Amino acid sequence: GAGVSQSPRYKVAKRGQDVALRCDPISGHVSLFWYQQALGQGPEFLTYFQNEAQLDKSGLPSDRFFAERPEGSVSTLKIQRTQQEDSAVYLCASSLSVEAQYFGPGTRLLVL
Amino acid sequence: DAKTTQPTSMDCAEGRAANLPCNHSTISGNEYVYWYRQIHSQGPQYIIHGLKNNETNEMASLIITEDRKSSTLILPHATLRDTAVYYCIVRPGGGSNYKLTFGKGTLLTVNP
Repeated sequence: GAGVSQSPRYKVAKRGQDVALRCDPISGHVSLFWYQQALGQGPEFLTYFQNEAQLDKSGLPSDRFFAERPEGSVSTLKIQRTQQEDSAVYLCASSLSVEAQYFGPGTRLLVL
Repeated sequence: DAKTTQPTSMDCAEGRAANLPCNHSTISGNEYVYWYRQIHSQGPQYIIHGLKNNETNEMASLIITEDRKSSTLILPHATLRDTAVYYCIVRPGGGSNYKLTFGKGTLLTVNP
């Protein structure tokens, strides 16, 4: 079956631009997660949704980062006024149970 | 969450068993040991998890010491496609267990 998909796969933005990253989770998965992965590092938790409710946004690095999942399925991570330090791979994961999270391929964001 | 310590890198010959160690000496009684791996340019992939008993699935075996302070992930017959960064993660049980805290992992290189 289809896994988690993310789009775009690559995004180049000029400093100060707003970007929107999309995640399509596995159908029926209640939980959705966003992670940020800097070069050479492990992924770091950003935020967690259960259906449409954002239950934890403690990992969002600043108020320029905003995530939503209005209908409890597709999610969008928005970054306003991008900065060079936002350059990273943004990973989305979904899960049905607490045991395993299924990750998408990520969106590689480069801010120039 | 308990901290984990893994070697930075390991090599393994194709067809041989790969044994990846992880120390988690501060693990508490309700914390599980999870393993994920990340192949280059892909999202992390769930491998296996356990609490205190040894576990085996189609991908790997997980051996947890009796005192639970360390564990070993075993890939019984490594292939070139197993080259990846392997992450050992300690994750609490209960309602707060949705978050995955990745370290830097072990880069396993399987050589022909």
